Amino acid sequence: DTGVSQDPRHKITKRGQNVTFRCDPISEHNRLYWYRQTLGQGPEFLTYFQNEAQLEKSRLLSDRFSAERPKGSFSTLEIQRTEQGDSAMYLCASSLKASGSFGETQYFGPGTRLLVL
Amino acid sequence: AQTVTQSQPEMSVQEAETVTLSCTYDTSESDYYLFWYKQPPSRQMILVIRQEAYKQQNATENRFSVNFQKAAKSFSLKISDSQLGDAAMYFCAYRYYGNNRLAFGKGNQVVVIP
Repeated sequence: DTGVSQDPRHKITKRGQNVTFRCDPISEHNRLYWYRQTLGQGPEFLTYFQNEAQLEKSRLLSDRFSAERPKGSFSTLEIQRTEQGDSAMYLCASSLKASGSFGETQYFGPGTRLLVL
Repeated sequence: AQTVTQSQPEMSVQEAETVTLSCTYDTSESDYYLFWYKQPPSRQMILVIRQEAYKQQNATENRFSVNFQKAAKSFSLKISDSQLGDAAMYFCAYRYYGNNRLAFGKGNQVVVIP
């Protein structure tokens, strides 16, 4: 049973560079979420997909952030022109939304820790 | 916007004893879900327990149980017979029935003393 996986686990970059993270959800899950967690805080919602459609984006997701989920499988989160304030743990989660059901459990990956120098 | 508040940033408990983590939330909605997630050091977050707001009965999962007080908007987690593996950060989370985002509190660090 494979859970949610994320790659890379750690990323160090210089301010102004672009970075891309990948998330592979649990195979049959149709929903995929991205959260950001800064030190000493709980995760904050960024965006979510149902299959390949991006259905909701937080106002935290500035124009420098873009997420995709081609073919409704893995997802990528790209940050352009990184800033020091982007340093955080980026968490991916997935869930299975069945017809007529609500409040399904979100299963989290191990996260990608980003440090912007 | 919904807010979730967890006080007592760090709690210590002797092995085999009981510890209770408090969580309050602010919402104007009546249909929602509440969760406790556990995040061990350098490991991924896992679901401990969940509660549907329409259910009056408090959820239990083995040594973990909740005290859900809907009118008071309170959702505490009790860990009984604490084990060393329970040491982790615990997050309380809220999800409104009508959307898909989880709103988390800042977390409670649980330290288990052998």
